[in-house]
Parts: sequence; structure tokens; C-alpha cells
Amino acid sequence: DVKVTQSSRYLVKRTGEKVFLECVQDMDHENMFWYRQDPGLGLRLIYFSYDVKMKEKGDIPEGYSVSREKKERFSLILESASTNQTSMYLCASTPVGTPYEQYFGPGTRLTVT
Amino acid sequence: GDSVTQMEGPVTLSEEAFLTINCTYTATGYPSLFWYVQYPGEGLQLLLKATKADDKGSNKGFEATYRKETTSFHLEKGSVQVSDSAVYFCALSYAGGTSYGKLTFGQGTILTVHP
Repeated sequence: DVKVTQSSRYLVKRTGEKVFLECVQDMDHENMFWYRQDPGLGLRLIYFSYDVKMKEKGDIPEGYSVSREKKERFSLILESASTNQTSMYLCASTPVGTPYEQYFGPGTRLTVT
Repeated sequence: GDSVTQMEGPVTLSEEAFLTINCTYTATGYPSLFWYVQYPGEGLQLLLKATKADDKGSNKGFEATYRKETTSFHLEKGSVQVSDSAVYFCALSYAGGTSYGKLTFGQGTILTVHP
């Protein structure tokens, strides 16, 4: 089975802190994605990556950056956390051959106080 | 741009009731359509998909038909179970171009099934 893991299920950070959210997949998938999930808004794409060292902005990249140094790992970085970044963050991966089926991690619920 | 709109929730049903969750989309091209499900405390998982007009996706008793003329992809199940309680997301994606592999999601519909 494909497994996508995220470093934390719950995280509480203070305003202005630098926050790292880690995502690891074990199926050698080329494509990886970061979303945030908010009630009534569904999932919104923050950043995605089609390969190592490669990244592209999604629909709401402001306030975020990403890093992909290894194929299996895709990190989301909040340079200076703000309260409006309190949300559920979901990572997903998909192989090149079946781009439609994205495999999701369990999510990290981040609270910024 | 592309967008997906789902019916307002939450939806509350009794066990064995018929389920419909409406989904309509606006697309600039010819997308593939999906339903994802999120069970409590878990990430999303693919429930079913349809890649072209008139295709019917089905899985676990759920069905949805890709209707190009009405730009819809409504989710149905004839007899729901308590274990179907979850959040359901409609989504679209393209096979190629600059949007390759990216999913556009609806806002999600919470389904609660009571015994």
C-alpha cells in the first residue's frame, strides 16, 4: 500500500515563528502536493512539485514556501506564521502514470496563536 | 478559471436511505471528474472517477455519471450505512497541459448517517 506520512498530526505555534511541515511518501512518486483544508472552502492548492528541486505555485502560495531536496520528501515552510494560517494541511503524492489518483497523508492540524 | 460547486451540507440521513450529493463544475477544457472521501481523522482517498463524458464511475455502492450537457457529476448511493459517514469532495483535473495532475476541489459535503 502507498503510504504518505506527515510529521505531526497536531501542532501549535506562536505568531511569527518559522514552521516546518514535513511529508514523506514511500512509493517513489514523482508528483507531490501541499493543500490547506478549511471548512466551507474545500482543499486549496498551496504548492506542488513534479520532481526533485522543482516547485510550482498553486492557488494560494502567499506566506508559504516549499523544499524538495529528495524525491520522497516535500516540506512546507511557513516563514513567519500568522493566525490566518491556522488550518488543516494535507500532503499528497501521485505517480506520473496515474496523475489523477492522489494519495493523501492524514493531515496536520496547525494552530497559530 | 475552473471551479467545482457542491451542494450545501451537512446532510443527515437514516441508515438505508438513498443518498444524492450534487456536484457541478465549470471548466475551460475537458477534465476528468472525481469523488474523494475523507473519513474522520484520516486523509482523503479516491472513491470513484470518470475520465470522459457519459462515463459512470462506481465503487463501494456509490455511483456518479459524467454529464457534459449539464456539467454535473452527482454522487448517489441506494442504501447508505453508518460507516459511510464522512466528508465527500468532488474534484476535477486534467491529463495534460500546465494543469497536469492538479486537482480543483469543491467545498466538501459532510454526511452523517444515523442507525
